[in-house]
Amino acid sequence: KNEVEQSPQNLTAQEGEFITINCSYSVGISALHWLQQHPGGGIVSLFMLSSGKKKHGRLIATINIQEKHSSLHITASHPRDSAVYICAVSGTASKLTFGTGTRLQVTL
Amino acid sequence: DAGVTQSPTHLIKTRGQHVTLRCSPISGHKSVSWYQQVLGQGPQFIFQYYEKEERGRGNFPDRFSARQFPNYSSELNVNALLLGDSALYLCASSPWTAYEQYFGPGTRLTVT
Repeated sequence: KNEVEQSPQNLTAQEGEFITINCSYSVGISALHWLQQHPGGGIVSLFMLSSGKKKHGRLIATINIQEKHSSLHITASHPRDSAVYICAVSGTASKLTFGTGTRLQVTL
Repeated sequence: DAGVTQSPTHLIKTRGQHVTLRCSPISGHKSVSWYQQVLGQGPQFIFQYYEKEERGRGNFPDRFSARQFPNYSSELNVNALLLGDSALYLCASSPWTAYEQYFGPGTRLTVT
């Protein structure tokens, strides 16, 4: 069993839909990261959080430390949101342990 | 400000050869981490360097080595290349350890 599990693996949504991607982890962490990877490989850090909730534009990330679970929400999805979304966790050092990613495609 | 830069962008090597990948962190960042991403999988941690010292190493063979220079740039070296080393190699920098990381565009290595 991987230390970081994501669901779903693939997600197709229509423009405007509310999207949720889930992440569960099995190890102690100091922080959880949500990352976005576009075709071609570049990775962008969306959120780093250790408790509660963070919001940036149409993106919201929540974490429940007791349940070892995090969610990434996208409101009013748009085709430009199409990408792979990766959950990763870090311990006391900044070494990241990644999930396998959720491939999101938003259609018109 | 310039982001994390990596060179080269793409590289094709033959089995058994050696390769050196380079990374320049964001100005002021003292920590550099290296990751390997095989097609269809999430990245895997290879090394972390901070202030020119190795601070962490992932589960990779001794064929993989790295170093960090006084200007905080870093090199990843892979000896005796295998077909399975074909991957996207990502470098990430951060101001110090245990902080948000900023990723470079990656170097895509193909071993034939």
